[in-house]
Amino acid sequence: SSELTQDPAVSVALGQTVRITCQGDSLRSYYASWYQQKPGQAPVLVIYGKNNRPSGIPDRFSGSSSGNTASLTITGAQAEDEADYYCNSRDSSGNLGVFGTGTKVTVL
Amino acid sequence: QVTLKESGPVLVKPTETLTLTCTVSGFSLSNARMGVSWIRQPPGKALEWLAHIFSNDEKSYSTSLKSRLTISKDTSKSQVVLTMTNMDPVDTATYYCARILGQWDYEVYILYYYMDVWGKGTTVTVSS
Repeated sequence: SSELTQDPAVSVALGQTVRITCQGDSLRSYYASWYQQKPGQAPVLVIYGKNNRPSGIPDRFSGSSSGNTASLTITGAQAEDEADYYCNSRDSSGNLGVFGTGTKVTVL
Repeated sequence: QVTLKESGPVLVKPTETLTLTCTVSGFSLSNARMGVSWIRQPPGKALEWLAHIFSNDEKSYSTSLKSRLTISKDTSKSQVVLTMTNMDPVDTATYYCARILGQWDYEVYILYYYMDVWGKGTTVTVSS
């Protein structure tokens, strides 16, 4: 079982704001990175570090962290943001490489 | 342009050994604070990290699969190879490789990592 827990699914109205959370003890010490995956496609990095976006990722995507919870916020969700989102960080021993359980985002 | 491409068999039989190759371009496997991860995703399920290898040859494996996995790299060929022994139908999945980058946050003095570029994945079915 994953050491990073995410809500299985969330929905958001077009143009509204949605926050996706990732909980785990390791997040008290380490940053999470966030990945978007659309059906039949490879994951794409959307947020890394404290709150950094790779080139080409819209600024409606942002990241934050508090205590044992990391969050990905989509401000003004668009239809093309409908996808699965995964967080990634270290495990409780500090080893790299654990993914969250994933959150399916539906844009209504 | 950084790219990664996975290759390997489409179908393997139970108990066989799977060998997957990730061929990279646009960067060198000898670059500092860079590495390659292998990740898999069974149909309809979540991503699962398997292993990674860094430029200094540091390796790490999933705790649950450690006894079955071996990762290695050939810098001259720009390839990272993952072998998984004793394959089972539950290992049926799409297997991805991704570049890992390490970056310092000097505000809090943390070295953090992320996977910035992924291959398209290769689907492996385990069946007799």
